[in-house]
Amino acid sequence: EAAVTQSPRNKVTVTGGNVTLSCRQTNSHNYMYWYRQDTGHGLRLIHYSYGAGNLQIGDVPDGYKATRTTQEDFFLLLELASPSQTSLYFCASSDGGGRVNTLYFGAGTRLSVL
Amino acid sequence: QQKVQQSPESLSVPEGGMASLNCTSSDRNFQYFWWYRQHSGEGPKALMSIFSDGDKKEGRFTAHLNKASLHVSLHIRDSQPSDSALYFCAASEHDSGYNKLTFGKGTVLLVSP
Repeated sequence: EAAVTQSPRNKVTVTGGNVTLSCRQTNSHNYMYWYRQDTGHGLRLIHYSYGAGNLQIGDVPDGYKATRTTQEDFFLLLELASPSQTSLYFCASSDGGGRVNTLYFGAGTRLSVL
Repeated sequence: QQKVQQSPESLSVPEGGMASLNCTSSDRNFQYFWWYRQHSGEGPKALMSIFSDGDKKEGRFTAHLNKASLHVSLHIRDSQPSDSALYFCAASEHDSGYNKLTFGKGTVLLVSP
């Protein structure tokens, strides 16, 4: 099965702090995504990428930057963290080809901004 | 407005019973649907996709799509305690290529022994 690894699994920071969430996939997938999950909102897309050096804006991008350094690695950056960014963050990857294009999710990073 | 709406918010069924989850899209561009399941402490995992009108069956799981009404349902036959999880409906404008999914808020299913 496809493997997507996120780190750290838990993170606590203070308001105004800098945070970097990491994601690595070993599936040779072209597409990678960052979602946040909040009670009452489901999963919402922050940023996505279809290859190294590419970045596309998702539905809730404010306050977030992302960078895709290689096909395997996708990072989410919070440069001035705010309490509203306290959430459960998921990275996902997909092949980008074929008719059934399934997303494979990591185990998530729980971020608390105090 | 939430483009993908799920109901009910939560559902409780006895072991061996039938669980029925519903999903409706308000965006006519969304023609392709997925069901994802998330157990506590884990990331979501794809259950099944459905792109054509009618039923699609995979084991104990049956999805039904009505494109005219943009309504999709998931029925779980012979529900097991291990089916207890958060179920997401997701929709897309495309069935391949870049797969930007829009998720609903989810339905919590509890299967009691």
